[in-house]
Amino acid sequence: QVQLQESGPGLVKPSQTLSLTCTVSGGSISSGSYYWSWIRQPAGKGLEWIGRIYTSGSTNYNPSLKSRVTISVDTSKNQFSLKLSSVTAADTAVYYCAREVLMPEVDAFDIWGQGTMVTVSS
Amino acid sequence: QTVVTQEPSLTVSPGGTVTLTCASSTGAVTSGYYPNWFQQKPGQAPRALIYSTSNKHSWTPARFSGSLLGGKAALTLSGVQPEDEAEYYCLLYYGGAQPSWVFGGGTKLTVL
Repeated sequence: QVQLQESGPGLVKPSQTLSLTCTVSGGSISSGSYYWSWIRQPAGKGLEWIGRIYTSGSTNYNPSLKSRVTISVDTSKNQFSLKLSSVTAADTAVYYCAREVLMPEVDAFDIWGQGTMVTVSS
Repeated sequence: QTVVTQEPSLTVSPGGTVTLTCASSTGAVTSGYYPNWFQQKPGQAPRALIYSTSNKHSWTPARFSGSLLGGKAALTLSGVQPEDEAEYYCLLYYGGAQPSWVFGGGTKLTVL
């Protein structure tokens, strides 16, 4: 079955760029009608949708983060990535990647990665 | 800024029934918001339960059901089990020129 695994530095300095990768295993990232999303959760707080990328490469972002976010896909590596620029302590969170399945009249988030903790600190 | 609102906390007795709701600041929630529901236990990643209002994943226990209720999305747990104690999040889709998803703030469900 398809699994997602986040990876990347656990510590990022303020004002730098946070970079994470989500590796898709058990299936091709470019097969089917899927969006691939990034979601984050600060400690003790709720979930926040960051953005998504379609298998074609088209993207949508959370308006509140749009100016700092870039999501890209590397089909040759079966991975998609998140870059968040100019980070501050407020960007400290567990970052999750997740799959969104598109079907006629249906839109479903199904598979999530286990999450990776990113701390922004000097 | 769009806000999705859930009850902060609810308490239910084992074997009981409880309904969690999910409201949008833009107005009534319809099927076009494709409501998704997730369960999250401490230290774990969220687990998908319901998609597109009322559809269950293959792993979703039968006691969980989704619906639209009074202009809100709703998640009903019937015959609550102790292991259902968790945080529950809804997620709504906002289409248009810049499509996006917005999570609700979550409902902490206590089974007592």
